Amino acid sequence: QSALTQPASVSGSPGQSLTISCTGTSSDVGGYDHVSWYQQYPGKAPKLIIYEVSHRPSGVSIRFSGSKSGNTASLTISGLQAEDESDFYCSSYTSGITPVVFGGGTKLTVL
Amino acid sequence: EVQLVESGGGLVRPGGSLRLSCAASGFTFSSYTMNWVRQAPGKGLEWVSSISSGGTYIYYGDSLKGRFTISRDNTENSLFLLMNSLGADDTAVYYCVRDVKPTVERVTAGAFDFWGQGTMVTVSS
Repeated sequence: QSALTQPASVSGSPGQSLTISCTGTSSDVGGYDHVSWYQQYPGKAPKLIIYEVSHRPSGVSIRFSGSKSGNTASLTISGLQAEDESDFYCSSYTSGITPVVFGGGTKLTVL
Repeated sequence: EVQLVESGGGLVRPGGSLRLSCAASGFTFSSYTMNWVRQAPGKGLEWVSSISSGGTYIYYGDSLKGRFTISRDNTENSLFLLMNSLGADDTAVYYCVRDVKPTVERVTAGAFDFWGQGTMVTVSS
């Protein structure tokens, strides 16, 4: 099945809030509360920052928050910091042939 | 401390095979669905395969076309991925990843809280 749709890149200034979208269908994002978000630095393994739409794993900054409306999930980063510059990926459970689908990824640039 | 350590990657010729292993420690391996996720150079994440805690439920990505086989040994706390008929499109870093919650024989929901360091698979002549 098709990957979830994310903007290829987003940018923001330090201190700002920024939102990354992740659009799917009623068979994945819209149909289940199993949307996750990952942060990845170059050369490193991804890190889970949000699961089940809005839950933060222990140790993840409260500046990261997740939400969902219809077929679109969103990751909001508040108080943008230089260290947030990285790639972000969403994923969702899906009722398709395979149970998991990832988004194409979004590169965050802190200006 | 949870640790996932992959091994078995390397250079393989097109059409060849490779068996990846993942040694798990620091948690009750037999209670978690485990997965393989890969990332081609400069590309995004692609979920590859999943196996439930007891091995009952197994799923593969569409693009694999029956070439890969996932398995696990709960007595040895190990996860495996046998890859056959490899092609250039299979060139990627392969990550061993754990589901965020322990579950009894359930399909993954796609939330992975621990990742190994990855093992590179290069398919080239």
